[in-house]
This record gives sequence, C-alpha cells and structure tokens, in this order.
Amino acid sequence: SQQGEEDPQALSIQEGENATMNCSYKTSINNLQWYRQNSGRGLVHLILIRSNEREKHSGRLRVTLDTSKKSSSLLITASRAADTASYFCATDTRGSTLGRLYFGRGTQLTVWP
Amino acid sequence: DAMVIQNPRYQVTQFGKPVTLSCSQTLNHNVMYWYQQKSSQAPKLLFHYYDKDFNNEADTPDNFQSRRPNTSFCFLDIRSPGLGDAAMYLCATSTYRQSNEKLFFGSGTQLSVL
Repeated sequence: SQQGEEDPQALSIQEGENATMNCSYKTSINNLQWYRQNSGRGLVHLILIRSNEREKHSGRLRVTLDTSKKSSSLLITASRAADTASYFCATDTRGSTLGRLYFGRGTQLTVWP
Repeated sequence: DAMVIQNPRYQVTQFGKPVTLSCSQTLNHNVMYWYQQKSSQAPKLLFHYYDKDFNNEADTPDNFQSRRPNTSFCFLDIRSPGLGDAAMYLCATSTYRQSNEKLFFGSGTQLSVL
C-alpha cells in the first residue's frame, strides 16, 4: 500500500518563482526521500532526510520534515524550465520488512519560460 | 559508469503471451526492486530482493514472478499478460544499512499488451 501523498497534484509557475510541494504519510518512518521523474523516464533521487532531521538543503532544494504532523515539504527556489517534471516522495516505514520503499502519487510541476 | 540498465526500453506482447523484462546493475547493491507505474500514477512496489531473499507485496498478482540469479541481474516474468498490465516497469537498486538509502533507477521498460 502507498504511504505518501503529495499535494498539490499539479503546479504551474513561471521561471524564477519558487515551487513548494508537500507530502503527507501515515506511519512512522526511518527516512523520507524525494525523487524527480521526467516524462517516460526512470526516477532520479534528489534528497533524503532522516527522521531525526528537520531540514536539509541541496543546491536550490530545501526539504523539511515534521514527524509530529507526518509531513514533508520540498521547496525548489528560483525555478527553471528544466525543473519541469513529476516529483515524488517516498517513505521507508519504520518496523517494516527490510527494504520496502513506498511512493506517493506525485506532483506534476510545470515551469513556464 | 556504474548504473542500472533495463532491457528492452519498449516491449510489445500479446494478450496471454509470457514476457520477461530484465534488469542489470553494476553498483553491487544488495537490494533490487521492481515497480509498476501506470500513467500519471505512483510507482507501485511489486516485490524486492534483499540479497537472495525474495519479498513479495501482498497485493502483487500471482501472474508476476521474479528471479535474481546473481547480484547483478534481476528478471520480471509476467506469465499471462492482460491489458491491465500495460505499464512502465521500473527496476531500482539500493543498499540497506540501518534503513533504506537512496534508490538508483533504470530508465524503465514500457510494456504494451495487444
């Protein structure tokens, strides 16, 4: 069964604007990861945040994690047309059988030049 | 470069005709996954191998089987494909220490069922 659910399902912005995507999940986690997928391709890992971390940065990406609310957000600053893709969160459920990683439905981000 | 390779990129099969999708990795990762992704949906975990241990998801149909003959290769067998099995099939690898580390995905195999 799926763990994460992203919000919004679709987001359309202009180049230079910031994009914020949210992810909610249901059970306790070991870590939460964000991935990007260009149309018709495999997923690419963006960033991993562990359950004992609250914020993490990587280049133009900023991820926050609130375990009390079971939610995470991904912020892309100064967006570019090349950021157009689907973004997924994935969770590694604490206590589950080793190796399971579940994905949410994703947010389709469109950045207009 | 170390990577995850899926072949073929596109696969067309007939309704009910068995088909095998392949995945290879040069990362020497101990965990390999198969995900099914239908259009505009989340990747759905079918099963995964932790080393040689096979872990099936409860809702994965019996029609789907997998083999991992060695660390580098993993196969997805669909015994009798139905129209509903048309999807992108994604292979991924990772290491597992105290929790899952990041996944490395192949480019996927787009399966069409006629």
